[in-house]
Amino acid sequence: AQKITQTQPGMFVQEKEAVTLDCTYDTSDQSYGLFWYKQPSSGEMIFLIYQGSYDEQNATEGRYSLNFQKARKSANLVISASQLGDSAMYFCAMREGRRRDDKIIFGKGTRLHILP
Amino acid sequence: GAVVSQHPSRVICKSGTSVKIECRSLDFQATTMFWYRQFPKQSLMLMATSNEGSKATYEQGVEKDKFLINHASLTLSTLTVTSAHPEDSSFYICSARMGGNNEKLLFGSGTQLSVL
Repeated sequence: AQKITQTQPGMFVQEKEAVTLDCTYDTSDQSYGLFWYKQPSSGEMIFLIYQGSYDEQNATEGRYSLNFQKARKSANLVISASQLGDSAMYFCAMREGRRRDDKIIFGKGTRLHILP
Repeated sequence: GAVVSQHPSRVICKSGTSVKIECRSLDFQATTMFWYRQFPKQSLMLMATSNEGSKATYEQGVEKDKFLINHASLTLSTLTVTSAHPEDSSFYICSARMGGNNEKLLFGSGTQLSVL
């Protein structure tokens, strides 16, 4: 079974609109972390935001916020006021556990296209 | 600031040769590094977890003798693709967790391997 599910393979959004990228996860651990990364066509992986399982507040980083619904096991990324430069592949990822060597696994990704 | 430096960015080699990819943590020590493989338009697949001073932990289905990982110091991990074949052609990317209270996973810029 997939640990991280991203159900939107691709999305087209008008510039300046808000975007929500979906992510659901599956774990039986109480301690885990959730990440979102952006991968432009250059291939680099850009860290966007992190949410710990014990964090009570939703994480925010500039235009990015993570809508953490623990009971539903969802961790959707919200991008406010989208820009052309936001066009990229977006990956949701999860780390089970809190040890430094606990591995991080990725979802299949969502390709976001921002339209001018 | 803290960066993960990966070299080379691109390598083309003949079938049967070995290729070494280096991954260095700059301005921080990385006791653990992760090696991922990414096929075009697909997600990152974890290959192995590299631990300084000990043997790497490989994911199921990844050949240990094919993909040799060495993590000899707190700032350097290497991946050697031995006797490369065309099916090994892929994008390889390393990452390291910053550690302490910082959950961020930093990524190298990746290596595009093409085996002729």
